[in-house]
Amino acid sequence: DIQMTQSPSSLSASVGDRVTISCRASQDISSYLNWYQQKPGKAPKLLIYDASNFDTGVPSRFSGSGSGTDFTFTISSLQPEDIATYFCQQYDDFPLTFGGGTRVEIK
Amino acid sequence: QVQLVQSGAEVKKPGASVKVSCKASGYTFTSYAIHWMRQAPGQRLEWMGWINVGNGNTKYSQKFQGRVTISSDTSANTAYMELSGLRFEDTAVYYCARPICSLSCHYIAFDIWGQGTLVTASS
Repeated sequence: DIQMTQSPSSLSASVGDRVTISCRASQDISSYLNWYQQKPGKAPKLLIYDASNFDTGVPSRFSGSGSGTDFTFTISSLQPEDIATYFCQQYDDFPLTFGGGTRVEIK
Repeated sequence: QVQLVQSGAEVKKPGASVKVSCKASGYTFTSYAIHWMRQAPGQRLEWMGWINVGNGNTKYSQKFQGRVTISSDTSANTAYMELSGLRFEDTAVYYCARPICSLSCHYIAFDIWGQGTLVTASS
């Protein structure tokens, strides 16, 4: 199975800060990487697919980049409503696997 | 609007089976796959398997092979996930999800999710 390792596991930042989350795959997954946001008690929400493509209606402050084994998710200006857990998911091979998540809090 | 609505919470004894339903609306059910994931408390999401609703073909994670059965009823626009031989560690929220594009495209990203079904294995 492809292992997905996210860092950090949690972070605290101020409103307006730039936030960066890393996701590393245990093998080359090309660009087959998605990013989700999950709030407590809710289903995940797709933000970015295929490493850098926005899902419909996703605010432009969210972005993704990377290919191969190293990927980055960025919130350019953290907003209070962005408090959530973010995680990555690879679809290069079955079984699909997910990162452990990064909890984002407001400082 | 496009949505997936899952059945309600279940409490089952270890060794029993549970069957969770996922009713689709707002789109052509047979044009998309349905995938099933689960999330145990404080744990990462785990992919369990998927069904090509168009032809009924399924694929399962090796971890759940032999214990999970995913099926669909196209007349009811509903997919099902049955997990047998429940163990305490199967306690989790189970989700169905639909990929962002139809069966003919390669992106496996989930933009439509059910609300989740809590399955508790408890004696």
